[in-house]
Amino acid sequence: EIVLTQSPATLSLSPGERATLSCRASQSISNYLGWYQQKPGQAPRLLIYDASNRASGIPARFSGSGSGTDFTLTISSLEPEDFAVYYCQQRNIWPFGGGTKVEIK
Amino acid sequence: EVQLVESGGVVVQPGGSLRISCAASGFTFDDYTMHWVRQAPGKGLEWVSLISWDGGSTYYADSVKGRFSISRDNSKNSLYLQMNSLRTEDTALYYCAKDFRDTTPTYYFDYWGQGTLVTVSS
Repeated sequence: EIVLTQSPATLSLSPGERATLSCRASQSISNYLGWYQQKPGQAPRLLIYDASNRASGIPARFSGSGSGTDFTLTISSLEPEDFAVYYCQQRNIWPFGGGTKVEIK
Repeated sequence: EVQLVESGGVVVQPGGSLRISCAASGFTFDDYTMHWVRQAPGKGLEWVSLISWDGGSTYYADSVKGRFSISRDNSKNSLYLQMNSLRTEDTALYYCAKDFRDTTPTYYFDYWGQGTLVTVSS
């Protein structure tokens, strides 16, 4: 089983700041990683697939990078609607990461 | 517009059975692998099961293998999850999710329903 570890668990930032979220895999997963955003009471939304490709309709302020075991989701300048929980997920049946909550400082 | 609407979630006793459904519209249902993903209250996401576009292949998380069964009816644009021998740890919001690409599964989910709540409690 491949385990995805996300850090930090909580990120406290202000609107306009840059957010950097990390996801580390327990073994190499090439670029087979996705990122999802989930707001309270809503279903998750696919942001990034294959580590660095933005899904349809996702703003350019969201970017993904990495390969192998270390991946990063960057939000270049936080908008009020970006405060949410973010999950990484390997492109397979293995578990999602535990999530990073981006909260307003 | 793609829509996925789950239904059938109720309160059920441990050891009981339940079938939940997902009605799909706005895309060519029988071109896509479909998934069930669940989320326990206040917890993270857990992939549960998938079924290929034609129903010929199914996969399950270890936590539900042997107890849950996924199926689909392409003539009705519907997805199902039969859940048997339910446990308290199966309590969760169950989401129906569409695979990102047609035919070959990617395990990325580009559309999700709003979920149906299954509560296993005595």
